[in-house]
Amino acid sequence: DQQVKQNSPSLSVQEGRISILNCDYTNSMFDYFLWYKKYPAEGPTFLISISSIKDKNEDGRFTVFLNKSAKHLSLHIVPSQPGDSAVYFCAANRGDYKLSFGAGTTVTVRA
Amino acid sequence: GAGVSQSPSNKVTEKGKDVELRCDPISGHTALYWYRQSLGQGLEFLIYFQGNSAPDKSGLPSDRFSAERTGGSVSTLTIQRTQQEDSAVYLCASSKNSGNTQYFGPGTRLTVL
Repeated sequence: DQQVKQNSPSLSVQEGRISILNCDYTNSMFDYFLWYKKYPAEGPTFLISISSIKDKNEDGRFTVFLNKSAKHLSLHIVPSQPGDSAVYFCAANRGDYKLSFGAGTTVTVRA
Repeated sequence: GAGVSQSPSNKVTEKGKDVELRCDPISGHTALYWYRQSLGQGLEFLIYFQGNSAPDKSGLPSDRFSAERTGGSVSTLTIQRTQQEDSAVYLCASSKNSGNTQYFGPGTRLTVL
């Protein structure tokens, strides 16, 4: 049962523009959300996280927004750069060890 | 410091053979996790270690899968009598304690012919 869903398998964006990645979840017990970025032949690397007590967290070019009532979160990357081309995974847990991951969104940043 | 390392990076085996996958976590990390990513899927939780104990093995797909951790450090995931559906990337992660951010290794790509 997929508790975390990323409904867009891919996203293409022009360099310098905003990338918006979306993620939906079904488990209302989730209280911690993370985004990971993955390059080919490498493991996922932690990007940014947000606790359920917040609705926004910003780190440089990356901002994560959480809408608990809609069980939806999004990752904004502004401005997008060629090095941002990767697979992005949304993940969630209940503040414990067990992360549930989405299937990933492949982002391609066009020059 | 060094990140999580895994070996081998690639493994091709014949159906029915046993394989062992190794994970070296970040030094000092007490929690260790194994995940599996099949083609087009997200990461699927397999097992979690706290120290040398595995409080949660609920994600192991069958009794052909087992894992151990020794000395609170290195972990080995063993798959016996491999099947073609075991083909996937097996990822290991570690964290300082459970509930902290997990740091992943590069994975082992397993292909069962």
